[in-house]
Amino acid sequence: DGGITQSPKYLFRKEGQNVTLSCEQNLNHDAMYWYRQDPGQGLRLIYYSQIVNDFQKGDIAEGYSVSREKKESFPLTVTSAQKNPTAFYLCASSRGQGALVAFFGQGTRLTVV
Amino acid sequence: AQSVTQPDIHITVSEGASLELRCNYSYGATPYLFWYVQSPGQGLQLLLKYFSGDTLVQGIKGFEAEFKRSQSSFNLRKPSVHWSDAAEYFCAVGMDSNYQLIWGAGTKLIIKP
Repeated sequence: DGGITQSPKYLFRKEGQNVTLSCEQNLNHDAMYWYRQDPGQGLRLIYYSQIVNDFQKGDIAEGYSVSREKKESFPLTVTSAQKNPTAFYLCASSRGQGALVAFFGQGTRLTVV
Repeated sequence: AQSVTQPDIHITVSEGASLELRCNYSYGATPYLFWYVQSPGQGLQLLLKYFSGDTLVQGIKGFEAEFKRSQSSFNLRKPSVHWSDAAEYFCAVGMDSNYQLIWGAGTKLIIKP
């Protein structure tokens, strides 16, 4: 079945450590996105990528980094510079230009301990 | 700046009762409009979308939404809710100038037995 796979579902990190969240899609979508979700707030865009080897900062990119070496993969690294990283992270993809319909993964809950 | 407002943080309805979730947006042109649903700890699933044409849009799971340009609204409705509809519902607005969606803060739907 086609879809978006995020792993792991739950992740714990010690303060000061970097951690990488995985996102893989087999939908052949050009565009991929990372969102952060906090209780009582809508989704906030961290980074997005419209094509391989290219990505743009979203509204809250500070303390995060991404790469897009393959069309299927868009990993997100939460660095130690992110001051409040505990959140639910959602990866999404869409077909690309003019295609705003997004398909979402099941999310990764990151907790800093 | 573009924005999306979901004025109700929580809504409680009895099983079998009708439902209306409100969504208002602020945008200069006619946007693309979406409703997504999120079950606890899960990703988001598209319920329905409006791009153009008939302003009454039918979606999955028996939901519908009506675009009212004069009111800048895109309210979600269901004639009779089921306990399985308990979830959080997000309204989103997209623009064709980029790939980004602007999200409302969400409305949590609680179903009374």
